[in-house]
Amino acid sequence: EAQVTQNPRYLITVTGKKLTVTCSQNMNHEYMSWYRQDPGLGLRQIYYSMNVEVTDKGDVPEGYKVSRKEKRNFPLILESPSPNQTSLYFCASSPRQIMNTEAFFGQGTRLTVV
Amino acid sequence: KQEVTQIPAALSVPEGENLVLNCSFTDSAIYNLQWFRQDPGKGLTSLLLIQSSQREQTSGRLNASLDKSSGRSTLYIAASQPGDSATYLCAVGQSGNQFYFGTGTSLTVIP
Repeated sequence: EAQVTQNPRYLITVTGKKLTVTCSQNMNHEYMSWYRQDPGLGLRQIYYSMNVEVTDKGDVPEGYKVSRKEKRNFPLILESPSPNQTSLYFCASSPRQIMNTEAFFGQGTRLTVV
Repeated sequence: KQEVTQIPAALSVPEGENLVLNCSFTDSAIYNLQWFRQDPGKGLTSLLLIQSSQREQTSGRLNASLDKSSGRSTLYIAASQPGDSATYLCAVGQSGNQFYFGTGTSLTVIP
């Protein structure tokens, strides 16, 4: 089954403790991206990747890192999480640039930073 | 910076009714516009993708239109069903691979 898998689905952590949210897709897609969804603000793009070893900042990259060492995986790294990073996070992938083709989304990771 | 607005924020209709969801955007220099459906506890499902050169797209009971010059898109749902209850999001794609989402319309279809 074609899918985008995020882990974990739920995470509660403390301020400053490094964490990684994993994202994996099994569709051989070139394009992957991360979003955060907050009430009243909608989804905002954090980072995206056009292909292996190619990443770029989205609208709200501060406080986040990403890497794309292999095509299927695109982890989101929070080096020193803060409470304002409490949010619902989504990973997405598409065959090429997200603007030209249908996007597939993961089920989301709800992160709480206390 | 692109701003995408969806009105209304919530909508409740009886089953069988036809309805229209609205999406407006401030910068008309877009590559495309997508409509998504989001169910509670789940990710987003792409419904329709309209390229900037197109005026509309149809899929089953759904029809999406795009008027780039006025910065508007509508999603028309015919003969609504309880299973259509969800949050509907529109998103515009722009240069630099930026993708801007609206805040969504929460739809409830009452049996």
